Amino acid sequence: DGGITQSPKYLFRKEGQNVTLSCEQNLNHDAMYWYRQDPGQGLRLIYYSQIVNDFQKGDIAEGYSVSREKKESFPLTVTSAQKNPTAFYLCASSKDRVNNEQFFGPGTRLTVL
Amino acid sequence: ILNVEQSPQSLHVQEGDSTNFTCSFPSSNFYALHWYRWETAKSPEALFVMTLNGDEKKKGRISATLNTKEGYSYLYIKGSQPEDSATYLCAFLGRNFGNEKLTFGTGTRLTIIP
Repeated sequence: DGGITQSPKYLFRKEGQNVTLSCEQNLNHDAMYWYRQDPGQGLRLIYYSQIVNDFQKGDIAEGYSVSREKKESFPLTVTSAQKNPTAFYLCASSKDRVNNEQFFGPGTRLTVL
Repeated sequence: ILNVEQSPQSLHVQEGDSTNFTCSFPSSNFYALHWYRWETAKSPEALFVMTLNGDEKKKGRISATLNTKEGYSYLYIKGSQPEDSATYLCAFLGRNFGNEKLTFGTGTRLTIIP
């Protein structure tokens, strides 16, 4: 089955620690995205990548970093510089850059203790 | 930052009734408007991608219309069923080639009452 996987589903981190969220897709999509959801807010774009070895900052990139070494993988690192990291994180991919219909993973809920 | 608004924020509808809700977006530099359905404990799924003014799309009991000149889209659900309970998200894609990214609204949370 083709799709997007994110791991882990739940993640707990101590304040001051970096943590990496995994996102893998086997849909052969070129573009991948990371969103953050907070209560009462829409999905906000953190980073996106339209092609391997290239990525751009989204609207709320501060305190996050990404890499895109393989087409299938787009891991997100939440660094200790992110002031309010507790949130639900969604990864997505899209085949057609112009059409841009997105396919989403199941999400990771990150809680900072 | 683009302003994409959805109303109402939440909605309770009796099973069998029809309902609709709204997405407002910038009317300039329009390229596409997406609708997604997000059921609890699942991933958001695309319902429609609309690009033409006056476009109307339909999937089963769900349909959507688009007015790009005035910057709004309506989503209609006919004869609501319990499985329609979900949050419905719209997302705007502006004409900014080379920098394609969706701006999402906050969603309309629909609850169908059996």
